[in-house]
Amino acid sequence: GIQVEQSPPDLILQEGANSTLRCNFSDSVNNLQWFHQNPWGQLINLFYIPSGTKQNGRLSATTVATERYSLLYISSSQTTDSGVYFCAVAPGSRLTFGEGTQLTVNP
Amino acid sequence: NAGVTQTPKFQVLKTGQSMTLQCAQDMNHEYMSWYRQDPGMGLRLIHYSVGAGITDQGEVPNGYNVSRSTTEDFPLRLLSAAPSQTSVYFCASSSTGGITGELFFGEGSRLTVL
Repeated sequence: GIQVEQSPPDLILQEGANSTLRCNFSDSVNNLQWFHQNPWGQLINLFYIPSGTKQNGRLSATTVATERYSLLYISSSQTTDSGVYFCAVAPGSRLTFGEGTQLTVNP
Repeated sequence: NAGVTQTPKFQVLKTGQSMTLQCAQDMNHEYMSWYRQDPGMGLRLIHYSVGAGITDQGEVPNGYNVSRSTTEDFPLRLLSAAPSQTSVYFCASSSTGGITGELFFGEGSRLTVL
């Protein structure tokens, strides 16, 4: 099956810093999503982005499907951005999740 | 709108016991799915449904049953709990794009099997 690799596995930032999270995948996909899991375990859909670029406030995402990667940008990070960020991809009818990037934003 | 509601949030079982995790959504979504989340392994698909009366197996279906008698409800049944089923379970729904469409998750159910 498709392999999904996220980097870095862990990231520690000071409040106000910017960061880039990466998701590499091993095969062509028709679907890619980014999720945030907050420290209480809740999963929130951030972006549905099989290709191109989208922005939502301080967050933006870019997927380059032909090169099999996606990037999630977080600008001016806040403590509420802490948690785990997952990307999930689908070459077909099922999503495969990466193992996530654990982000900690310190005040 | 409550979105996707899961119950219970926490459960402890003994090996061999059975139980049902409940999932309900009030968004009239056609597609619903169950995932389990284990440390270091991301989320894995257990079972899914593309509409009332239609279910299918995901990546890790063994030991679990599902049914979809209504659009709103998608319960997950553990037939004979095993310690390997200790995990956090998430129910998700989506309206378009099938089960890989934009997903809305419940808050999760943490299950411990002793």
